[in-house]
Amino acid sequence: DQQVKQNSPSLSVQEGRISILNCDYTNSMFDYFLWYKKYPAEGPTFLISISSIKDKNEDGRFTVFLNKSAKHLSLHIVPSQPGDSAVYFCAARGSSGTYKYIFGTGTRLKVLA
Amino acid sequence: GAGVSQSPSNKVTEKGKDVELRCDPISGHTALYWYRQRLGQGLEFLIYFQGNSAPDKSGLPSDRFSAERTGESVSTLTIQRTQQEDSAVYLCASSAGGGVGSPLHFGNGTRLTVT
Repeated sequence: DQQVKQNSPSLSVQEGRISILNCDYTNSMFDYFLWYKKYPAEGPTFLISISSIKDKNEDGRFTVFLNKSAKHLSLHIVPSQPGDSAVYFCAARGSSGTYKYIFGTGTRLKVLA
Repeated sequence: GAGVSQSPSNKVTEKGKDVELRCDPISGHTALYWYRQRLGQGLEFLIYFQGNSAPDKSGLPSDRFSAERTGESVSTLTIQRTQQEDSAVYLCASSAGGGVGSPLHFGNGTRLTVT
């Protein structure tokens, strides 16, 4: 079963506008969430994280929002830049036992100049 | 400092052969993960090592897959009798621990092609 879902396989945004990437999860025991960016032929690069005790975390142009009741998180990129074009993965981790991370299937973001 | 290093970067092998993939984690990182990404798909968890604890092998797809880690250093992922469906990018990641605030740091992966 897919515990972490990214239902939009792709997204196109104009340079300078906001990019919003969404992620849904099913396991209410997940307590730590991360976003990664991946360029072709490279490993994923960590962007930003959020703990379940918070509902928002901001780092420069990147903001992650967590809605625990809806089991939904989103990544906002403002303003979007052409260099942001990549595949974005969300990941979630359980709070006890094993600390394995479950990844979504990714959303390909294309920022148009 | 050095990041996560994986070798080889590319591996082409014939169906039925065994392959061994290597991962050098970031020094001092106690946790090490293996994932695989098939073409057009997401990251699939394979195995997780944390210090001297028993590894979480729940993601290994079959008994042809195994992995070892010596202490808190190098890890090897071995695939025996490779099949074409094993073709994927195998990614290794390490983190400073299992706690919140310890994100995974990935290597660039090994692209495995089984012909």
